[in-house]
Amino acid sequence: IAGITQAPTSQILAAGRRMTLRCTQDMRHNAMYWYRQDLGLGLRLIHYSNTAGTTGKGEVPDGYSVSRANTDDFPLTLASAVPSQTSVYFCASSSGTGADTQYFGPGTRLTVL
Amino acid sequence: GQNIDQPTEMTATEGAIVQINCTYQTSGFNGLFWYQQHAGEAPTFLSYNVLDGLEEKGRFSSFLSRSKGYSYLLLKELQMKDSASYLCCGEDSNYQLIWGAGTKLIIKP
Repeated sequence: IAGITQAPTSQILAAGRRMTLRCTQDMRHNAMYWYRQDLGLGLRLIHYSNTAGTTGKGEVPDGYSVSRANTDDFPLTLASAVPSQTSVYFCASSSGTGADTQYFGPGTRLTVL
Repeated sequence: GQNIDQPTEMTATEGAIVQINCTYQTSGFNGLFWYQQHAGEAPTFLSYNVLDGLEEKGRFSSFLSRSKGYSYLLLKELQMKDSASYLCCGEDSNYQLIWGAGTKLIIKP
């Protein structure tokens, strides 16, 4: 692994189903983030984690949950998917020291029908 | 409230120069990022400005005026591969990032 990876690349999901998007980084970054990106809107922060064992809510956290059991992994779970959660989801990481660059994964394109 | 404004779309000619403007309002201000995002790909870091003035990095330069809440990204000697969206992102005093919707730059031959 080099950098930050996400899985799956894309997914079509029936409304009401549970789904976990996976994110793994090998840069030993402290901070990790989940964003959604929708046409015409900027990246919107869903949840973040400043360090392993801690998480926080971003701008649009409703309907999503995260966990940070270790430094490398930061899964995002949709407990019961709804069509408005159709989006491209990006995971990102940074060293967490403030004023630092975020490195993004390749994204997961999720469609909820 | 916190807000980032940038044009939705711009068109320029290969070999020319283009300036993408961004105005910001944040709760306190630490600095301003520019990211590049090609269609279907992840954003990648271009620049970070903290102090007023112009910072040059090859064909790309970024300018910041803290007093005016204004930044621009200047792209010189445009190449077809520069066709992408350019995301302006302000960092507030709590190190939270506020993202603009992005400017889609179309390069014509």
